[in-house]
Amino acid sequence: SQQGEEDPQALSIQEGENATMNCSYKTSINNLQWYRQNSGRGLVHLILIRSNEREKHSGRLRVTLDTSKKSSSLLITASRAADTASYFCATAVAGGTSYGKLTFGQGTILTVHP
Amino acid sequence: GAGVSQSPSNKVTEKGKDVELRCDPISGHTALYWYRQSLGQGLEFLIYFQGNSAPDKSGLPSDRFSAERTGGSVSTLTIQRTQQEDSAVYLCASRDSPSSTDTQYFGPGTRLTVL
Repeated sequence: SQQGEEDPQALSIQEGENATMNCSYKTSINNLQWYRQNSGRGLVHLILIRSNEREKHSGRLRVTLDTSKKSSSLLITASRAADTASYFCATAVAGGTSYGKLTFGQGTILTVHP
Repeated sequence: GAGVSQSPSNKVTEKGKDVELRCDPISGHTALYWYRQSLGQGLEFLIYFQGNSAPDKSGLPSDRFSAERTGGSVSTLTIQRTQQEDSAVYLCASRDSPSSTDTQYFGPGTRLTVL
């Protein structure tokens, strides 16, 4: 079953605008990761934020994590047409024998118009 | 260096046939995962291998699904007596260490179509 829920399901913006995607999850986590997928194939890792971190930056990406609300957001600034893709959040649960296996959200389809 | 590779990239089979999907992880990565992505279910965990430990098979949807990892490297996912609901993209990922905080690197996937 999907632990994460993402919104919006689809987002359409113009080049240069910022894109914000949100992810909610249900159980305690060890870390939360964001991935990008082009054309329904391989996933590309974007950024990982640990449960004891609140914000992380990587280039044009900014991720926040609120463990009290069990939610995360991904902000892409100054978007480009090449950012058009599906974006997924994935959580690695804390404890047990999870061994880092990921539980994915349903994803947000981002379209950036040139 | 080389990333995770999977073969074949596409597989079309008839209902009832068996299929084998292959994953070559990044050299030296001890952990290997299989996931499935389908329209109805999204991305789902299937099975996890870590070194010589017994695999975590908790995500396999039925006993028609099995996987093995030979020599701690290449892995094969086998689906017996395929059904149309098995149609999906099967993704493999590898990770460098047992720590759950480490990044998983995904292969390009195998798109399986069961007619």
